[in-house]
Amino acid sequence: DTGVSQNPRHKITKRGQNVTFRCDPISEHNRLYWYRQTLGQGPEFLTYFQNEAQLEKSRLLSDRFSAERPKGSFSTLEIQRTEQGDSAMYLCASSRTEVEQYFGPGTRLTVT
Amino acid sequence: RKEVEQDPGPFNVPEGATVAFNCTYSNSASQSFFWYRQDCRKEPKLLMSVYSSGNEDGRFTAQLNRASQYISLLIRDSKLSDSATYLCVVNISSPAGGQNFVFGPGTRLSVLP
Repeated sequence: DTGVSQNPRHKITKRGQNVTFRCDPISEHNRLYWYRQTLGQGPEFLTYFQNEAQLEKSRLLSDRFSAERPKGSFSTLEIQRTEQGDSAMYLCASSRTEVEQYFGPGTRLTVT
Repeated sequence: RKEVEQDPGPFNVPEGATVAFNCTYSNSASQSFFWYRQDCRKEPKLLMSVYSSGNEDGRFTAQLNRASQYISLLIRDSKLSDSATYLCVVNISSPAGGQNFVFGPGTRLSVLP
């Protein structure tokens, strides 16, 4: 399968713990995006990478969230000191141009 | 006011019906526009880009009115398989090369037999 992959697919954690998610984009795609989606809402943009450079970060993103793409390939999204309000589906997408984004299956986070 | 607003839905229509979705955006700096489709418990997938001249792909027609900051999607001869949530998306590019894709809340469509 050469699509976008995300791991883990599900994560249950206790409030206050740190979690890290991984995204492996389609291999020739230099653009990578992270989104968060809650039930009944569209995806909410979190951050954008072009190669290894983080070029855009949502002003809604608190300092507990950090993302990296160290070699311009896979990316990680870390949430520190998780809160119940962080429970959501975290989606990663990649693209070669600014037109079509290919989304991964997402990581569903539940904070108890 | 939300940056991208859509018809609240849900829309329940019989097979063969024509259905239209509306979307408005607030940021006049928005540069590119799209409709994505999201099936239940699945990831979003691009349905079509939207151009000022309007564009058509089979039974689907998208229109953009930059002056009114309005986007539409028309589905003709709807099929059961069209049942999904339709997401309106606008992109704002920054001079530094940043991309900010803003998704609307989506409009759910159910096509009934």
